[in-house]
Amino acid sequence: GAVVSQHPSRVICKSGTSVKIECRSLDFQATTMFWYRQFPKQSLMLMATSNEGSKATYEQGVEKDKFLINHASLTLSTLTVTSAHPEDSSFYICSARAVGEGEQFFGPGTRLTVL
Amino acid sequence: QKEVEQNSGPLSVPEGAIASLNCTYSDRGSQSFFWYRQYSGKSPELIMSIYSNGDKEDGRFTAQLNKASQYVSLLIRDSQPSDSATYLCAVNSGGYQKVTFGTGTKLQVIP
Repeated sequence: GAVVSQHPSRVICKSGTSVKIECRSLDFQATTMFWYRQFPKQSLMLMATSNEGSKATYEQGVEKDKFLINHASLTLSTLTVTSAHPEDSSFYICSARAVGEGEQFFGPGTRLTVL
Repeated sequence: QKEVEQNSGPLSVPEGAIASLNCTYSDRGSQSFFWYRQYSGKSPELIMSIYSNGDKEDGRFTAQLNKASQYVSLLIRDSQPSDSATYLCAVNSGGYQKVTFGTGTKLQVIP
């Protein structure tokens, strides 16, 4: 149990385009989902926390207009990187937490490369 | 002061030895504690959770929690080369809203 999927696993795009990443909890309902970014050899950086049906809470320094998060259902959250630039190239990882539980379960991650 | 602190390592242990990974946290009101393993280029994987003082064992892994000292540790017995990874300590405070991760300890198990 507690499986979280992400799609796509890898994406390469041109500078200025937008990229959407999907995060799904496959066998449980996730009231809260988290989006992280990790640069090579660095630690996880929380970008935002999203609760189903409400606006995401962004961490300090993360542009909410650039990283659009939608958590429309208890099993799906999406992150859209708008007008991507090479400095947005990173490993984006989502995690999901079930109702009343403390553990977060991570998706496999999406490696974004912006040319 | 960082909220969750870990020694970045690398911690090198010979195969078959016990690896001891340590973590301290600053929020005395923290209730839930987790250890994740992250292989290079992969996402973190939950290996242990602990909620009350004392030890919790699961196979070769033992998590230890001391809330008075604000200290949580992970012991890996009979370390294997496949245990070589970065181990992340995570602490949940604030009513299940946010989990704070440490920067991780890199473990190297030498064959």
